[in-house]
Amino acid sequence: EVQLLESGGDLVQPGGSLRLSCAASGFTFSSYAMTWVRQAPGKGLEWVSSVSATGSRTYYADSVKGRFTISRDNSKNTLYLQMNSLRAADTAVYYCARGLRGVIFPLDYWGQGTLVTVSS
Amino acid sequence: EVVMTQSPATLSVSPGERATLSCRASQSVSTELAWYQQRVGQAPRLLISGASTRATGIPARFSGSGSGTEFTLTISSLQSEDFAVYYCQHYANWPPAFGPGTKVDIK
Repeated sequence: EVQLLESGGDLVQPGGSLRLSCAASGFTFSSYAMTWVRQAPGKGLEWVSSVSATGSRTYYADSVKGRFTISRDNSKNTLYLQMNSLRAADTAVYYCARGLRGVIFPLDYWGQGTLVTVSS
Repeated sequence: EVVMTQSPATLSVSPGERATLSCRASQSVSTELAWYQQRVGQAPRLLISGASTRATGIPARFSGSGSGTEFTLTISSLQSEDFAVYYCQHYANWPPAFGPGTKVDIK
């Protein structure tokens, strides 16, 4: 069974940093592209960042470019999102998701999300 | 970049009735379009990819159609578990984008 388990969400002050993790199991993690999608409270879905299966290619939304870094450790079956210079607008539930059949999109499995709150 | 819109914002439907949801792209995305369902308090779930291909385990009452800029998700006979928010997403180019969602609620 495919499972994605996010962790690392917390309350952080504006300007602070946080690292999210997504532990994957039930599939060959190194064969799949992975993506982070966020959802602000009461709002819709927003694509944040994606990484290829090998980690060689990364993609970012303009809203996070230069502040967030996506990475993966295929030996640990784990996806990461390093978030720096956090803003109130980054407050959201962050989901990790798997690309369907090896392509980046669409996203066929999602974790349950981890909440990031940026507030003083 | 491609902007996605969805209509209506809210659709009130009685159980057993048909629901038709629309999604529009600001420029052609061919058939690089997915539909997701999000129930309250849950993560999104993939319903449709490639505009019309049902994902694994998705009931046949869900169908997708369209290409280019106009897309439709049809739920042929609404069940209680289908009351949720539905998002379309294009992935034709970077950045990919989600629509704002259509909430399907009970009439």
